[in-house]
Amino acid sequence: GNSVTQMEGPVTLSEEAFLTINCTYTATGYPSLFWYVQYPGEGLQLLLKATKADDKGSNKGFEATYRKETTSFHLEKGSVQVSDSAVYFCALMSSGGYNKLIFGAGTRLAVHP
Amino acid sequence: DAGITQSPRYKITETGRQVTLMCHQTWSHSYMFWYRQDLGHGLRLIYYSAAADITDKGEVPDGYVVSRSKTENFPLTLESATRSQTSVYFCASRPRQGRGLGRNTEAFFGQGTRLTVV
Repeated sequence: GNSVTQMEGPVTLSEEAFLTINCTYTATGYPSLFWYVQYPGEGLQLLLKATKADDKGSNKGFEATYRKETTSFHLEKGSVQVSDSAVYFCALMSSGGYNKLIFGAGTRLAVHP
Repeated sequence: DAGITQSPRYKITETGRQVTLMCHQTWSHSYMFWYRQDLGHGLRLIYYSAAADITDKGEVPDGYVVSRSKTENFPLTLESATRSQTSVYFCASRPRQGRGLGRNTEAFFGQGTRLTVV
């Protein structure tokens, strides 16, 4: 079945450091891929998405490239801020059926001044 | 207000009681979903619905019941609450997927309901 695997957290960084959160997936067909972010006490918000191979999603300085050959969708940011502290979820939406969102376990990011 | 809202935001209930979590969206989205969020598991799908009167089980449906008599509402009922159902519950909605490039595939989430079963 479809699944998403994320690197375990927490990830602790200093402000302005480079961020990578790894995400790999298993899916049949051609899924769409997403990164969602959850700030403390809030629901999930879409951060970025990619709907086909080699697409690059970007938003708020974050980027992720849909790599079909390595079944990966790693999240990167060149210079993190304290305000980026949150939980990040990688997710896929299958290309058939009810197009359910399948989530990874989430990675908590803590950025210190 | 437009959007997706969940109620209540916080709930404490006793083991064995029935409890219903409400979800309401104003966009007339076709798809609606219920997830539970637990440490170490991320979000797991409980039930989903493709339209009014069409529902189906997700990954962890046992102990839960849903209904969707109207497009905008998707209540989740715990028939006899257990301590293992202590969790944060999220409702989400999404429009029917369009065709071609630029299709809208974003899901929108409510603020969550924190449920504690004692």
